[in-house]
Amino acid sequence: RKEVEQDPGPFNVPEGATVAFNCTYSNSASQSFFWYRQDCRKEPKLLMSVYSSGNEDGRFTAQLNRASQYISLLIRDSKLSDSATYLCAVNVDSSYKLIFGSGTRLLVRP
Amino acid sequence: DTEVTQTPKHLVMGMTNKKSLKCEQHMGHRAMYWYKQKAKKPPELMFVYSYEKLSINESVPSRFSPECPNSSLLNLHLHALQPEDSALYLCASSRGVEQYFGPGTRLTVT
Repeated sequence: RKEVEQDPGPFNVPEGATVAFNCTYSNSASQSFFWYRQDCRKEPKLLMSVYSSGNEDGRFTAQLNRASQYISLLIRDSKLSDSATYLCAVNVDSSYKLIFGSGTRLLVRP
Repeated sequence: DTEVTQTPKHLVMGMTNKKSLKCEQHMGHRAMYWYKQKAKKPPELMFVYSYEKLSINESVPSRFSPECPNSSLLNLHLHALQPEDSALYLCASSRGVEQYFGPGTRLTVT
């Protein structure tokens, strides 16, 4: 079993739709969780850190479910510019090592 | 400001060449990283420097040699690479666990 798993997609949604991605992790000792966005042929950009209480940034909401060992990202009112690959990343034992999921591709159509 | 810069943007090198990739950050971050990313795959950690000392080497072949001349600079020296080493090489830095990536160097080994 991979340490961090994501549905590769693609998720193909119309503008204005709400879309959610999940990311599961296998190590219960994982301590920090992140969502990154990566555009084609560009670097990953930190989108959000995921806190135990959940957090929201505009149209984006991230949640953590420790009992079931997954994190989620909800995007409301999708824009064309949201089309990208969304990578989840997990940090174990407060080390410097981030383990990335393979990414979920989102396509937002007009 | 969360800027990490990398040079060059693109590099083509033969298998007998020696070249270096450079990374710079002026955010006062004490940890710096090298990642390798192949197409449609997540970033894979190669090396971590913490306070200018190598703290993680993910069993990377010796043809890749990292160097951290000071707290703002990180180099990756390349020698006798193979065509399968062609990839996007990403540098990142962090103060804590949140990592910020540079734009990467797209390397082609011929």
